[in-house]
Amino acid sequence: DQQVKQNSPSLSVQEGRISILNCDYTNSMFDYFLWYKKYPAEGPTFLISISSIKDKNEDGRFTVFLNKSAKHLSLHIVPSQPGDSAVYFCAASRSSNTGKLIFGQGTTLQVKP
Amino acid sequence: DTGVSQNPRHKITKRGQNVTFRCDPISEHNRLYWYRQTLGQGPEFLTYFQNEAQLEKSRLLSDRFSAERPKGSFSTLEIQRTEQGDSAMYLCASSFSGGGFGANVLTFGAGSRLTVL
Repeated sequence: DQQVKQNSPSLSVQEGRISILNCDYTNSMFDYFLWYKKYPAEGPTFLISISSIKDKNEDGRFTVFLNKSAKHLSLHIVPSQPGDSAVYFCAASRSSNTGKLIFGQGTTLQVKP
Repeated sequence: DTGVSQNPRHKITKRGQNVTFRCDPISEHNRLYWYRQTLGQGPEFLTYFQNEAQLEKSRLLSDRFSAERPKGSFSTLEIQRTEQGDSAMYLCASSFSGGGFGANVLTFGAGSRLTVL
């Protein structure tokens, strides 16, 4: 039972353009959502998060949007840079503040110079 | 503080052998987590500690797996009688539980890759 799904295994964009990574979830009890970025041979690194009481959170070039009715969240990266090339995981938590996260399968982003 | 440290980074073992992984979390963090990641998948939760207490274990954690966190500092994850299906990346993470959603923001180590032949 995949509660968090990232249906696009990969995404390729041109440097300077917008990258949009998508994530769908099935459990309406999730109340906190996060995006992690992972480079090869490194552990996942926290990028940005959003609680279920909000629909948008912005941090520099990164913005996360949450659509609770559609059970959908997305990560926008503007402008995209070659250094953003990595695997991006979305994650969700259904018990506030436990740190028990349910991860999606990941989307590999390639930003071409 | 250099972040979350995991050792060894890579372990190759024969089926049936026991292996142990160690994790040193960020010193200010009171929570420590173990996750497992297989190829093409995201990390899967295994267990977590608050200080020295193990608060939750996933059903993924069979009887052959045991985790400890003596004195609430470093943690070990032992796998007994390893099977080929245990081959994966074992990730350790830590966080600080001090109110709000802070405990959900995990800092991961680079992982320990297990290969069972």
